[in-house]
Amino acid sequence: RKEVEQDPGPFNVPEGATVAFNCTYSNSASQSFFWYRQDCRKEPKLLMSVYSSGNEDGRFTAQLNRASQYISLLIRDSKLSDSATYLCVVNAFQTGANNLFFGTGTRLTVIP
Amino acid sequence: DTAVSQTPKYLVTQMGNDKSIKCEQNLGHDTMYWYKQDSKKFLKIMFSYNNKELIINETVPNRFSPKSPDKAHLNLHINSLELGDSAVYFCASSQDWRVATTQYFGPGTRLLVL
Repeated sequence: RKEVEQDPGPFNVPEGATVAFNCTYSNSASQSFFWYRQDCRKEPKLLMSVYSSGNEDGRFTAQLNRASQYISLLIRDSKLSDSATYLCVVNAFQTGANNLFFGTGTRLTVIP
Repeated sequence: DTAVSQTPKYLVTQMGNDKSIKCEQNLGHDTMYWYKQDSKKFLKIMFSYNNKELIINETVPNRFSPKSPDKAHLNLHINSLELGDSAVYFCASSQDWRVATTQYFGPGTRLLVL
């Protein structure tokens, strides 16, 4: 079983729409959670960390449900520049080190 | 003022060849990583070094040998390249391997084995 599972999409939404991505993780001992963004042919970059109480950064809201081992990302008022692949990332302590596990990503295309 | 840099950006080579990819970070981080992203975009860790010491070595063929001459550099040497090695290889760094802090990625090296 993969450490992190995401719906690969693609999600095609019009500008201004609200879109939500979900992710589940398998290791109940995981402590840290992140959303990364990867543009086409570029490297992944941190979008935001995900905190237990949920957190917001502008148009982006992240939620964590530890009981269900579920993470979500909500994007409001989508912009063309939001088109990218969104990677759900979870840590797991393995072989003596904190290791980050990446989901395969959810691809978003915002249409004019 | 690039934070994590990799060279080369593109690498096209024949099966059986040996090649190296270099990575440098100027963030002052202690920990560096190599990841492989395959054609299905799955990003998987290969190795992790902390201050020149190997701390993570996932199930990777021993044709792949990382080397860290100092904590700012982590190079990846690949012997006897195979078709299945074709992928994008990302180097990354973070402040401390003991906690799950933000990782900063290099631009990637696109390797194509013919």
